[in-house]
Amino acid sequence: AQKVTQAQTEISVVEKEDVTLDCVYETRDTTYYLFWYKQPPSGELVFLIRRNSFDEQNEISGRYSWNFQKSTSSFNFTITASQVVDSAVYFCALSGLMNTGNQFYFGTGTSLTVIP
Amino acid sequence: NAGVTQTPKFQVLKTGQSMTLQCAQDMNHEYMSWYRQDPGMGLRLIHYSVGAGITDQGEVPNGYNVSRSTTEDFPLRLLSAAPSQTSVYFCASSYSGSPGNTIYFGEGSWLTVV
Repeated sequence: AQKVTQAQTEISVVEKEDVTLDCVYETRDTTYYLFWYKQPPSGELVFLIRRNSFDEQNEISGRYSWNFQKSTSSFNFTITASQVVDSAVYFCALSGLMNTGNQFYFGTGTSLTVIP
Repeated sequence: NAGVTQTPKFQVLKTGQSMTLQCAQDMNHEYMSWYRQDPGMGLRLIHYSVGAGITDQGEVPNGYNVSRSTTEDFPLRLLSAAPSQTSVYFCASSYSGSPGNTIYFGEGSWLTVV
């Protein structure tokens, strides 16, 4: 079974603070893919990053960084020096080779509020 | 840069009415899908298509119908709307139906069934 858990329902931080959003996944696939999406208040879903299970290198893109650890089945997302524009709901998702039709399994999301 | 386009953005239906949510993509993607988003439940797959003429059920298909007559379009039909179908609906597409392809979403359709 595929499952994604985002235990943090809501997080509030003051602008310029760093914040980490947790994502823990379960899968029996040996090959799988992990994703993060951002849903700003306007409602659309914006793709942020894709990671495959064979690439455990951490990735940094500007203020965003991702820490993938297979040993703990986690794919955490850190925003450095948070800004008000980072306020959104963030979803972690999983897709595996055992899936039919490229089905994504989403976590329940973490709502981040950045206070000015 | 249209990407995935959904219409309508907002709709209110009465119980028992039927309607169609439209979805079109201009990226020549083979794979298209519909998800619904409900509070506390993330997004769940309703139906998907790996190419024109081919559709299949996802996790929560009951009460919905789809067809894929062209590569570009993938409409979602609500046959007889129920309050439990009040949700936000997202159409998404990816280059192919192979697992792990990044899916790109439309802007969402907010549906309320009263």
